[in-house]
Amino acid sequence: NAGVMQNPRHLVRRRGQEARLRCSPMKGHSHVYWYRQLPEEGLKFMVYLQKENIIDESGMPKERFSAEFPKEGPSILRIQQVVRGDSAAYFCASSPVPQGFTEAFFGQGTRLTVV
Amino acid sequence: KQEVTQIPAALSVPEGENLVLNCSFTDSAIYNLQWFRQDPGKGLTSLLLIQSSQREQTSGRLNASLDKSSGRSTLYIAASQPGDSATYLCAVKDVSGGSNYKLTFGKGTLLTVNP
Repeated sequence: NAGVMQNPRHLVRRRGQEARLRCSPMKGHSHVYWYRQLPEEGLKFMVYLQKENIIDESGMPKERFSAEFPKEGPSILRIQQVVRGDSAAYFCASSPVPQGFTEAFFGQGTRLTVV
Repeated sequence: KQEVTQIPAALSVPEGENLVLNCSFTDSAIYNLQWFRQDPGKGLTSLLLIQSSQREQTSGRLNASLDKSSGRSTLYIAASQPGDSATYLCAVKDVSGGSNYKLTFGKGTLLTVNP
């Protein structure tokens, strides 16, 4: 059973371009969580999605950021019109049920660099 | 609002030394606490998960303790090795706010074990 898979591992975008980050959860997992790690900062919760639903997006910036988790395929974190401040590592975790007492497993992350 | 602090921010020790990493959190109403390891440019590897009802967990040379009432956890690494060099992250999943899925992370302790 493969772990949480994220791609690409590294992504370089020019200011104003769009960035698409993908997360394939572990097999059998229908809950996905995105976190962002800014330089010299701890990981911060962004959004929690269940298949076809956004459950909690309280950590998402209000503009330019969106996330989806379609019925088929990976979860996508989309950043429109990227700016230098979006440069960070973006991590995804998944779980078979809302996490509660369960252990969190993360993917390898996508490192976004905006030039 | 939950806040997690890790001390020290960086630690350098000679190989073979036993060491302790500290984590403190401000809200003791937690589901669990999890220790992760992060290698440079890599993802997060889960090391130990301690449920709120537990006092400690052990895995190999690692032992994590939890004192929920005082808001503290320690990660003890015995007989450290150069391969232990990494950033160690502490994260808590708290009860407040009605969510059972958000992890609040500390900024980590960067450990260097010198041969």
